Amino acid sequence: DVKVTQSSRYLVKRTGEKVFLECVQDMDHENMFWYRQDPGLGLRLIYFSYDVKMKEKGDIPEGYSVSREKKERFSLILESASTNQTSMYLCASRPPDRGPANEKLFFGSGTQLSVL
Amino acid sequence: AQKVTQAQTEISVVEKEDVTLDCVYETRDTTYYLFWYKQPPSGELVFLIRRNSFDEQNEISGRYSWNFQKSTSSFNFTITASQVVDSAVYFCALSEAGYSTLTFGKGTMLLVSP
Repeated sequence: DVKVTQSSRYLVKRTGEKVFLECVQDMDHENMFWYRQDPGLGLRLIYFSYDVKMKEKGDIPEGYSVSREKKERFSLILESASTNQTSMYLCASRPPDRGPANEKLFFGSGTQLSVL
Repeated sequence: AQKVTQAQTEISVVEKEDVTLDCVYETRDTTYYLFWYKQPPSGELVFLIRRNSFDEQNEISGRYSWNFQKSTSSFNFTITASQVVDSAVYFCALSEAGYSTLTFGKGTMLLVSP
């Protein structure tokens, strides 16, 4: 069974801390994504990566960075956490763009981050 | 720019009622893909269906059916004889050909009570 694993289900951090959210997939997918989900705003794309060491900004990259050192792992970094980054963070992966384009995304269960 | 609108924020129904979740999209591309995802209380989004812009056939899968109408830029989702297990947040999403990212609507929370 395919799996996208996010290291923490719940996380509480203090303002100003550096926060790492980890995501691992076991499907050998090239494409990986980080979204944040907020009530009334739906899912918004923060960053994505289509290959190791490659990254692209999504719609709301400010205050975030990412790291993709290995194909299976995509990390989201909050350099200095702020209260407005309290949110549900969802990681997803997808096969590359060949054959039927835009195959479905596989999602992790999410990390609920609270910044106090 | 692509956009997905789910005007219904929350819908409450009683078990066995039929319910339709609306999705309206905007895109300038002629080739695009539409998706529906379900997010149960556990949090993980689950893929339900993908539709490409050249296939306007409606689809039925058990109690689920989808109505794709390019003329109105809509991709609506109907659950027939709803059940409590259908309670979840449902997201409609759009991807344009050549782009690897999905644009999601804001979601519709469906509450099915016994």
